[in-house]
Amino acid sequence: EVQLVESGGVVVQPGGSLRLSCAASGFTFDDYTMHWVRQAPGKGLEWVSLISWDGGSTYYADSVKGRFTISRDNSKNSLYLQMNSLRTEDTALYYCAKDMMDYWGQGTLVTVSS
Amino acid sequence: NFMLTQPHSVSESPGKTVTISCTRSSGSIASNYVQWYQQRPGSAPTTVIYEDNQRPSGVPDRFSGSIDSSSNSASLTISGLKTEDEADYYCQSYDSSNHPYVVFGGGTKLTVL
Repeated sequence: EVQLVESGGVVVQPGGSLRLSCAASGFTFDDYTMHWVRQAPGKGLEWVSLISWDGGSTYYADSVKGRFTISRDNSKNSLYLQMNSLRTEDTALYYCAKDMMDYWGQGTLVTVSS
Repeated sequence: NFMLTQPHSVSESPGKTVTISCTRSSGSIASNYVQWYQQRPGSAPTTVIYEDNQRPSGVPDRFSGSIDSSSNSASLTISGLKTEDEADYYCQSYDSSNHPYVVFGGGTKLTVL
């Protein structure tokens, strides 16, 4: 059974940093592209970033480019999102999703507030 | 860049059929696959249609997807509506030539009443 479990979401002050993690199981992790997608409270889905199977290619939404960094450790079946210079508008539930977004985690909540 | 535009909300009665549209603002709707996700309150999204018209295992055949090049749009059709179909639905596609790479529609709230 495919499982994606996000962690690391907390309350952080504007300008702060945070690293989210996503633990994957039930599939061959290093065969697949992975994504981060977020959803602000009461709003729609917003794609954040993706990383290729080997970490060699990464892409970002304009809203986070230069502030967020996606990475992965295939030896640990884990996906990460390093979030710097956080803004109030980054407040959202952050999901990791596999490849064609056929599987999603349950999300981890990031709240940016003073 | 392109946008995917969905109606904000639709409503229909149980047993009826509803269609949710997703219109691509520029470039051909046929140039990249379209996916559809269902999101019930408090839950993560799940795929109901992938690659324009394919249903994942476990998704009932009441759900179907299509694309229409003349209107440059994709559609999700749900027949025999059930109250459990009440949810938010999102279309999604890819832009392999420009940024951002993954594009979501704004979502449609389906009410079954």
